[in-house]
Amino acid sequence: AQKITQTQPGMFVQEKEAVTLDCTYDTSDPSYGLFWYKQPSSGEMIFLIYQGSYDQQNATEGRYSLNFQKARKSANLVISASQLGDSAMYFCAMREGGYYKLSFGAGTTVTVRA
Amino acid sequence: ETGVTQSPTHLIKTRGQQVTLRCSSQSGHNTVSWYQQALGQGPQFIFQYYREEENGRGNFPPRFSGLQFPNYSSELNVNALELDDSALYLCASSRLRGLNTEAFFGQGTRLTVV
Repeated sequence: AQKITQTQPGMFVQEKEAVTLDCTYDTSDPSYGLFWYKQPSSGEMIFLIYQGSYDQQNATEGRYSLNFQKARKSANLVISASQLGDSAMYFCAMREGGYYKLSFGAGTTVTVRA
Repeated sequence: ETGVTQSPTHLIKTRGQQVTLRCSSQSGHNTVSWYQQALGQGPQFIFQYYREEENGRGNFPPRFSGLQFPNYSSELNVNALELDDSALYLCASSRLRGLNTEAFFGQGTRLTVV
């Protein structure tokens, strides 16, 4: 079964507007961590934000925030005030308790228009 | 800049050949993981090394093997290359092993098998 599902293959957003990237996950482990990474065309995966399953508050990092809805098993990324440099592929990933690997979704391509 | 460097950046090999990809971990990081990212897909976990020992492996055949050296640099070896091995290979290093441990990725090696 797919552990991470990203249903939006591509999104367009106007510069300075906000965009929400969807991510749902599947796990029976009560202890897990959720990550978002940005991958520009250069290939490097850049860490954006982390949310732990026991965290009471939604994570925020600058212009990035994570809308964590545990009961619905969703961890959507919100990018506020989009910039042209935000154009990239975005991946949601999960690490389950006791495991070492990251399980990635298929990614969402974001294109920011001027 | 994450400090994780991979070499070479691009490589073309013929089916049936063997290839070695290299990764230099970020200073102080004792854990390294390798991922395979096929075009248009999310990264798939190959294996992880911790203090020179393999301590986790994904769903990849034995012709995918690795090493981690005392300085924590790492190699990924692939024998008997197949066309489907064409992908971006990403190395990720981290200092600790834990649920919220951030993995720092290199820029990847793009392997093409012809």
